[in-house]
Amino acid sequence: EPEVTQTPSHQVTQMGQEVILRCVPISNHLYFYWYRQILGQKVEFLVSFYNNEISEKSEIFDDQFSVERPDGSNFTLKIRSTKLEDSAMYFCASSDGISNQPQHFGDGTRLSIL
Amino acid sequence: DQQVKQNSPSLSVQEGRISILNCDYTNSMFDYFLWYKKYPAEGPTFLISISSIKDKNEDGRFTVFLNKSAKHLSLHIVPSQPGDSAVYFCAAQEGYGGSQGNLIFGKGTKLSVKP
Repeated sequence: EPEVTQTPSHQVTQMGQEVILRCVPISNHLYFYWYRQILGQKVEFLVSFYNNEISEKSEIFDDQFSVERPDGSNFTLKIRSTKLEDSAMYFCASSDGISNQPQHFGDGTRLSIL
Repeated sequence: DQQVKQNSPSLSVQEGRISILNCDYTNSMFDYFLWYKKYPAEGPTFLISISSIKDKNEDGRFTVFLNKSAKHLSLHIVPSQPGDSAVYFCAAQEGYGGSQGNLIFGKGTKLSVKP
């Protein structure tokens, strides 16, 4: 069964550094998402992306964050100047945009900011 | 802001019995509801969904019930198996017209099925 893949599985970065989290969505999917889950808290929506542009973003997704689809397969989340509170699991998801079809999630990247 | 609430952080059930996981929501604009299962070190895996025009959806051992007037949904697992032990997330989405909207998640319920 096709799946969403995310790399790396664990990223450790010094505070203030930039990180790029990578995702390969399911190949025929058109909508892409990033969510995050801080330890002990809910999974929270960050951003959705369709047709090479952001379609929706949450309050969390401020100027520190950016997303890109640099080629036909990858979808990336960049966090500039990381902060301690950016430590979380980051999940990528994709969907085909058809009514009542679910979003499918990757296994996540654990981001640890030191 | 708790638009989707799962009030039971954990549930323990004997193998072969029924597991009932509950979820409440506050936003009447939600039109599509999903249950995801999550094992440690894995991402959420889609389990079953229901749109607001239905009150029940069944898939094998899993049934989701939706009570729109009470803004309540539940997931029934019958019979429960040890492999069902995981964290179960309820999620909701506005807009029946497509799956491109963002999901609002509950905090999850950890289900333990004992042999």
